[in-house]
Amino acid sequence: GNSVTQMEGPVTLSEEAFLTINCTYTATGYPSLFWYVQYPGEGLQLLLKATKADDKGSNKGFEATYRKETTSFHLEKGSVQVSDSAVYFCALWRNTDKLIFGTGTRLQVFP
Amino acid sequence: GAGVSQSPRYKVAKRGQDVALRCDPISGHVSLFWYQQALGQGPEFLTYFQNEAQLDKSGLPSDRFFAERPEGSVSTLKIQRTQQEDSAVYLCASSLPANTEAFFGQGTRLTVV
Repeated sequence: GNSVTQMEGPVTLSEEAFLTINCTYTATGYPSLFWYVQYPGEGLQLLLKATKADDKGSNKGFEATYRKETTSFHLEKGSVQVSDSAVYFCALWRNTDKLIFGTGTRLQVFP
Repeated sequence: GAGVSQSPRYKVAKRGQDVALRCDPISGHVSLFWYQQALGQGPEFLTYFQNEAQLDKSGLPSDRFFAERPEGSVSTLKIQRTQQEDSAVYLCASSLPANTEAFFGQGTRLTVV
């Protein structure tokens, strides 16, 4: 079946460090891929998405590239800020099926 | 409305009580989803509606869980005879039919004591 695997957290970084959160997926066909973010005390928000192979989603300095050959959608940011501290969820959605989430990765950024 | 609205935000129930959780989707959104998020975990799919039709309820954990969307807009998730393991945040999301972006509400945190 369809599934998403993302790296265990927490990821702890100093401000301005480079961030990578790994995400790989298993799916038949060509799903759309997403990163959602959950800030403390808030609901899930879409961070970025990519709907086909080689697409790059980007938002707020975050980027992720849909790599079909490695079935990956790793999240990157060149310079993190304290305000980026949150839980990040990788997800996939194929056709009219439901959105399937990974277990989440907590990011903690310290000044 | 501007976004997906869920009520109540917080609910404490005694074990064995019935609860009803409400979701108001974004106006015009055909698809509506319910998810359960346990502490420290990712959201787990419960059920999906397209308009008033419940197309997938494969994620409902037991027959104590029931969802409805009678007029294709507001949805209610009902949990009968609540158990401690039902304690979680229940998330509702809505989307347009041909749009793969789902918008989430802030969730209802259910605590069963």
